[in-house]
Amino acid sequence: GNSVTQMEGPVTLSEEAFLTINCTYTATGYPSLFWYVQYPGEGLQLLLKATKADDKGSNKGFEATYRKETTSFHLEKGSVQVSDSAVYFCALSDKSNYQLIWGAGTKLIIKP
Amino acid sequence: DSGVTQTPKHLITATGQRVTLRCSPRSGDLSVYWYQQSLDQGLQFLIQYYNGEERAKGNILERFSAQQFPDLHSELNLSSLELGDSALYFCASTEQGLNTEAFFGQGTRLTVV
Repeated sequence: GNSVTQMEGPVTLSEEAFLTINCTYTATGYPSLFWYVQYPGEGLQLLLKATKADDKGSNKGFEATYRKETTSFHLEKGSVQVSDSAVYFCALSDKSNYQLIWGAGTKLIIKP
Repeated sequence: DSGVTQTPKHLITATGQRVTLRCSPRSGDLSVYWYQQSLDQGLQFLIQYYNGEERAKGNILERFSAQQFPDLHSELNLSSLELGDSALYFCASTEQGLNTEAFFGQGTRLTVV
């Protein structure tokens, strides 16, 4: 079946460091891929998405490219801020049954 | 504001009791998903409804049930509560579309004492 695997956290970085959070997936067909972010005490919100191979999603300085050849959708940011501290979830949508498949989440801690 | 409303925001109840969590989806969204998030845990998918009908079930206990009403709001009923049921319960809604982007409510924090 479809699945999403994320790197385990927590990931701890200093402010202005480069961020990569790995996400790989297993899916039949051509799913859409998402990154969601959950700030402390809040619900999840969409950060970025990509709907087909080679698409790049971007938002708030974050980027992720849909790589079908490596079945990956890694999240990157060139210079993180303390305010980026949150839990990040990778997800895919199974278009055959409209199910959302979620990764386990990666907690990101940014130190000043 | 995601457009998804969950009530109540907080709930404290005793073991053995029954509670109902309510979710109003974003205007126009037909699909509602319920998730449980325990402390330091990821999202556990419980159940999905589409336009009033159950579409998919995840790791939902038999003590839990849900329904979606004609006006598309949804309720999650939790009964015979145990300490381990203490968690954040999220509702999300989506369009019936290829992108299936999900919009989440702020969650209901349930504490069972």
